[in-house]
Amino acid sequence: DSGVTQTPKHLITATGQRVTLRCSPRSGDLSVYWYQQSLDQGLQFLIQYYNGEERAKGNILERFSAQQFPDLHSELNLSSLELGDSALYFCASSPRGLAGGGSTDTQYFGPGTRLTVL
Amino acid sequence: GNSVTQMEGPVTLSEEAFLTINCTYTATGYPSLFWYVQYPGEGLQLLLKATKADDKGSNKGFEATYRKETTSFHLEKGSVQVSDSAVYFCALSQLTSYGKLTFGQGTILTVHP
Repeated sequence: DSGVTQTPKHLITATGQRVTLRCSPRSGDLSVYWYQQSLDQGLQFLIQYYNGEERAKGNILERFSAQQFPDLHSELNLSSLELGDSALYFCASSPRGLAGGGSTDTQYFGPGTRLTVL
Repeated sequence: GNSVTQMEGPVTLSEEAFLTINCTYTATGYPSLFWYVQYPGEGLQLLLKATKADDKGSNKGFEATYRKETTSFHLEKGSVQVSDSAVYFCALSQLTSYGKLTFGQGTILTVHP
C-alpha cells in the first residue's frame, strides 16, 4: 500500500459526458502528479500541483483540468469525453517537486482509476 | 526533449534465469533515473533509482547502474522468480522539470516455473 488513494476504482460513462477523478496523496506529501496510461500512448504525464499551485503541464488536453485543494487532495476533471479518453489514470505524490530538489524524489502511485468511455 | 527507450518486449524466462532489460535515455544535463514495476491490477511502485552518474541502485536482487557515457540504465537480476512477473518501466526526471517522470514504453516480463 503506497498510501495514495484514488476514487473511484472504475468508471464507465458515455461520450460527451464529464467525470471527476479524485486523489488523496500520502500524508505529508505536497506534490501531486497525474498520469494517463493507455495502450497506444503508454504512460504520459498530464499535470503537477505543488501545495495548491499548478507547477508543470504535460500532454493534457484542453478538455481536461485539475486542481489541488487546501487539504492537498486533488481532482482531475475530464469533460466532453471521447472514446480515446478510455485509459487508466494514475495519481502519484511526492514530498517536494520543486526544481532542484524534487527530481530525485520517489513518486508514490495510487492504484489508478480505470475510465471506460462507451 | 527528454525520452526513454526500453528494449522491445515481452520477455519470457524460466525461473532462476538471468534477466536484463535494456534502457537508454536522451536528456540534457544530469537526470535522475528510476525503475518502476507494475504488478497485475496494481499501480506502479519504485523498484530502484540512481540520482547521479556511476550510482548503482539495488533492491530485491535487482540492480541498475547509471552510465552517463552510454546514457543507459539497464536493469539486471541474477535469478528471477515467478513472482517477478510484471511490467517494468524505466523513467527519468529532470532537475528543471519539477520532478515529473518521463517513462519508457514498459517491458512485460513473464517468468515460468
